[in-house]
Amino acid sequence: EVQLVESGGGLVQPGRSLRLSCAASGFTFDDYAMHWVRQAPGKGLEWVSGISWNSGSIGYADSVKGRFTISRDNAKNSLYLQMNSLRAEDTALYYCAKSGRRGELQNWGQGTLVTVSS
Amino acid sequence: QSVLTQPPSVSGAPGQRVTISCTGSSSNIGAGYDVHWYQQLPGTAPKLLIYGNSNRPSGVPDRFSGSKSGTSASLAISGLQAEDEADYYCQSYDSSLSGSVFGGGTKLTVL
Repeated sequence: EVQLVESGGGLVQPGRSLRLSCAASGFTFDDYAMHWVRQAPGKGLEWVSGISWNSGSIGYADSVKGRFTISRDNAKNSLYLQMNSLRAEDTALYYCAKSGRRGELQNWGQGTLVTVSS
Repeated sequence: QSVLTQPPSVSGAPGQRVTISCTGSSSNIGAGYDVHWYQQLPGTAPKLLIYGNSNRPSGVPDRFSGSKSGTSASLAISGLQAEDEADYYCQSYDSSLSGSVFGGGTKLTVL
């Protein structure tokens, strides 16, 4: 059974940093691209970033480009999101998701909540 | 303002059929990129409902179907059930943005 477990969320002041982690199990992690998707309270889904199986291809939403960095450690079956210069508008539930062959997000974690506030 | 446009809400009575549209442009759906659909029940993570425009993952009832034409895609739900009440999102890839994009979401109410 595919399991994705996010961690690292919490309350952080504007301008500070936070690192999210996603522990993957139940599938061959280094066979799949992975993504981060966020959802602000009461709002819709927003794609944040994606990374290919070998980290050779990486993409970011314009809203986080230059501030967030996605990475993965295939030896540890883990996905990361380093978030710097956090803003109030980054407040959201952050989901880790496993990508399918056609770009669909096949499996999702339960999310980790990031709150940016002074 | 989402790159993919969905109606904010749709509704239907049990047993009826409803459709949810997802309108894009020449840099995403119209460019031939696949459209995927997700269902998000209240308080839960999204779940993949349709992938590659019209394919259902195993376990998804055949009451759910997807289609795509030109710069738009649609999700159809037939034989509406109370448990279908949820938010539905479309997703595709946008070449201008070099990344995935979601629709704004549609809230389905079963009357």
